[in-house]
Amino acid sequence: AQTVTQSQPEMSVQEAETVTLSCTYDTSESNYYLFWYKQPPSRQMILVIRQEAYKQQNATENRFSVNFQKAAKSFSLKISDSQLGDTAMYFCATYNFNKFYFGSGTKLNVKP
Amino acid sequence: SQTIHQWPATLVQPVGSPLSLECTVEGTSNPNLYWYRQAAGRGLQLLFYSVGIGQISSEVPQNLSASRPQDRQFILSSKKLLLSDSGFYLCAWSGSGQGDSPLHFGNGTRLTVT
Repeated sequence: AQTVTQSQPEMSVQEAETVTLSCTYDTSESNYYLFWYKQPPSRQMILVIRQEAYKQQNATENRFSVNFQKAAKSFSLKISDSQLGDTAMYFCATYNFNKFYFGSGTKLNVKP
Repeated sequence: SQTIHQWPATLVQPVGSPLSLECTVEGTSNPNLYWYRQAAGRGLQLLFYSVGIGQISSEVPQNLSASRPQDRQFILSSKKLLLSDSGFYLCAWSGSGQGDSPLHFGNGTRLTVT
């Protein structure tokens, strides 16, 4: 099984500031996919952003962007202009051979 | 558009009782289907996944089982619940064989075993 590590159990950021969430993973595959999911207090899982490992260009979705370092097996999420609605658990995930593996999550608290 | 339905939303069951959680997907065919469990404040643990009718892969040995009697129906069962089975259970689907198809989740079932 692939392992996904999120080393920051909890983080805080002031509204309108930028925050980066870390994620590292372990895989022996050359092609795979990476995702960030958000889980607000409602507990609904929401896709934030995804990245294909063979693409060198970092994915961007509005205020969300990733820093994908394939050699280092690192996939961090940057949230710019943080908003109160960004308060949630954030999970990093990998996909390979029909299976999605998730990290333990980072609880992000956006403060007004 | 595709939708996923999962029920019940909340369930309280005594130790030793059976369990059946159901999940159905609409608007797509031959999806990959998944059951995850999330313990309080923890990440998502993959329990079972299925790439087709009757095809079930188990990731974690336990007293739970899964079945896929129809293309878009996925059921999580137990004959006798344990206290450790308490948690938040999520059903999800993705496009078959497509790595660029993300997981789409149901709203989850909060199971409390007393």
